[in-house]
Amino acid sequence: KQEVTQIPAALSVPEGENLVLNCSFTDSAIYNLQWFRQDPGKGLTSLLLIQSSQREQTSGRLNASLDKSSGRSTLYIAASQPGDSATYLCAVDQGAQKLVFGQGTRLTINP
Amino acid sequence: DAGVTQSPTHLIKTRGQQVTLRCSPKSGHDTVSWYQQALGQGPQFIFQYYEEEERQRGNFPDRFSGHQFPNYSSELNVNALLLGDSALYLCASSPPWTGGYEQYFGPGTRLTVT
Repeated sequence: KQEVTQIPAALSVPEGENLVLNCSFTDSAIYNLQWFRQDPGKGLTSLLLIQSSQREQTSGRLNASLDKSSGRSTLYIAASQPGDSATYLCAVDQGAQKLVFGQGTRLTINP
Repeated sequence: DAGVTQSPTHLIKTRGQQVTLRCSPKSGHDTVSWYQQALGQGPQFIFQYYEEEERQRGNFPDRFSGHQFPNYSSELNVNALLLGDSALYLCASSPPWTGGYEQYFGPGTRLTVT
């Protein structure tokens, strides 16, 4: 059974810092991995999708990497801003678009 | 493009009642999945609909059922509500195969069972 773990559960940093969020999964037979952002009480916004054959994806200040063999992904956020404060979730797709989510990292950027 | 829409936004029901939640997928998408997110947890997969059939199901009891219509919209029905069914219910849609299967989520329906 696939299990997805995100560390840390919560993170608070001052504005302007670069930071890394971690995601690990137990079964490397994944189709893709997706990072989402969730604001309190809201739905999920897709940030980045990494196919299993890819090593990384970039969008603006965000960079996500994938090491399928070790069961790890990282989300790098450069020059953090208060507007980046949210919960970040990673999810793996083992095929047929059924996502298995981690519990998320609650990120707070302090002005 | 309106994206994925869900209705209602919030709902309060009493234990034992039945509830129906609705989802309209993003334009061009044909697959709809439903997830349950308890407070402080990651979303859990309930089931998925494709071509009006349930294609996959997660570890949820038969009290949870669904339907997909010819226009790809979908409903989630929950019977005999329990207090533990209180959660944010998320709908996600994805397009026909384009090499990515990126999933797009709606804003969710907050269900409170009292």
